[in-house]
Amino acid sequence: NAGVTQTPKFRVLKTGQSMTLLCAQDMNHEYMYWYRQDPGMGLRLIHYSVGEGTTAKGEVPDGYNVSRLKKQNFLLGLESAAPSQTSVYFCASSYTTRQETQYFGPGTRLLVL
Amino acid sequence: SQQGEEDPQALSIQEGENATMNCSYKTSINNLQWYRQNSGRGLVHLILIRSNEREKHSGRLRVTLDTSKKSSSLLITASRAADTASYFCATLSNFGNEKLTFGTGTRLTIIP
Repeated sequence: NAGVTQTPKFRVLKTGQSMTLLCAQDMNHEYMYWYRQDPGMGLRLIHYSVGEGTTAKGEVPDGYNVSRLKKQNFLLGLESAAPSQTSVYFCASSYTTRQETQYFGPGTRLLVL
Repeated sequence: SQQGEEDPQALSIQEGENATMNCSYKTSINNLQWYRQNSGRGLVHLILIRSNEREKHSGRLRVTLDTSKKSSSLLITASRAADTASYFCATLSNFGNEKLTFGTGTRLTIIP
């Protein structure tokens, strides 16, 4: 099993450009999450999904959109990138949150100029 | 807002020594989890302790939970160079939401 994979690993964007980050998991997990990690801030939840076709806002959802059209995939979109969105983005998945641990992908480093 | 706060922010010890990290949180929890992050990598789950448990062991790891003080500690015994990483606690609240809240982490350096 590959676990949780993320595409791309690194990307540079100009302010105003758009992009989509792809997360895929092969563990048949119901729950998927997108986090951002900034120095000194720990991980902050952007959006999450409790199953195929569902999405919900996390702690810092502004400027991002998500879609979960297939159970194994969770997409994070930036419609108009801003320098404040420079960060490392992590995807994670779990069977459920209340009882289970989360499995993380390797991260996507995004630089917005 | 951060639910968990780790202490210390950074810790350097000699290989073979024990390392202790602490986590404090603010609200009632269902469980508390510890994760490790090696530089440039994703987080890896280490151990989960539920609110009705007081201590848990996994290999060289020992986790304690004191719900009256809203705190947890992670002890790594007989440290190795490979233990160099950042360690995060994460809490799952009892208040209906399904989300883990992560602390800011402790950066552990093991000196060979």
